[in-house]
Amino acid sequence: EDKVVQSPLSLVVHEGDTVTLNCSYEVTNFRSLLWYKQEKKAPTFLFMLTSSGIEKKSGRLSSILDKKELFSILNITATQTGDSAIYLCAVLSGTYKYIFGTGTRLKVLA
Amino acid sequence: DGGITQSPKYLFRKEGQNVTLSCEQNLNHDAMYWYRQDPGQGLRLIYYSQIVNDFQKGDIAEGYSVSREKKESFPLTVTSAQKNPTAFYLCASSTLRGTSGSRETQYFGPGTRLLVL
Repeated sequence: EDKVVQSPLSLVVHEGDTVTLNCSYEVTNFRSLLWYKQEKKAPTFLFMLTSSGIEKKSGRLSSILDKKELFSILNITATQTGDSAIYLCAVLSGTYKYIFGTGTRLKVLA
Repeated sequence: DGGITQSPKYLFRKEGQNVTLSCEQNLNHDAMYWYRQDPGQGLRLIYYSQIVNDFQKGDIAEGYSVSREKKESFPLTVTSAQKNPTAFYLCASSTLRGTSGSRETQYFGPGTRLLVL
């Protein structure tokens, strides 16, 4: 059975800290891995990763994929209170099926 | 202004009642999806549709029904057979054409929170 596992389930840090969120997967017909940020309503797209070892960056956020070990990490440096959210990892299997992890709930304290 | 809209924002269902959640997109996307989100369980796929007049069951389709009569619209009906409908429902869409990257990114609507009276 396909599955995506995220860790930790929740995390509390202080502003300025660096955090690393993990996503491991066992999915047949892997096509891509996606990260989303969800702040109360709709998840918003952060990154899509298809190749191992190529880091994607957007400001203080970065992500990398390891297709040999079947995992991805999402790094957030110099965290701010606005980074507080649930971070979702999803794997696209084939052309249409997205399998989501349970998410990591991040809380950043001022 | 392209995007996905869902309505209503909140919906209350009485016992034995069927209710319908609306999802509309003007992104010209081929594929549309319905997910259910419960606390601590991430997103679970209810139904998806790749083209008009065709749809497939996801992992938790029991107690739900959908239709895809138009490319832009993918309404979800929560039937009385769904015994535990209280959840946050998210609609999403993606395109099956275009360059890699745009083809694989899934976009979400703002969600509908369903509560049982």
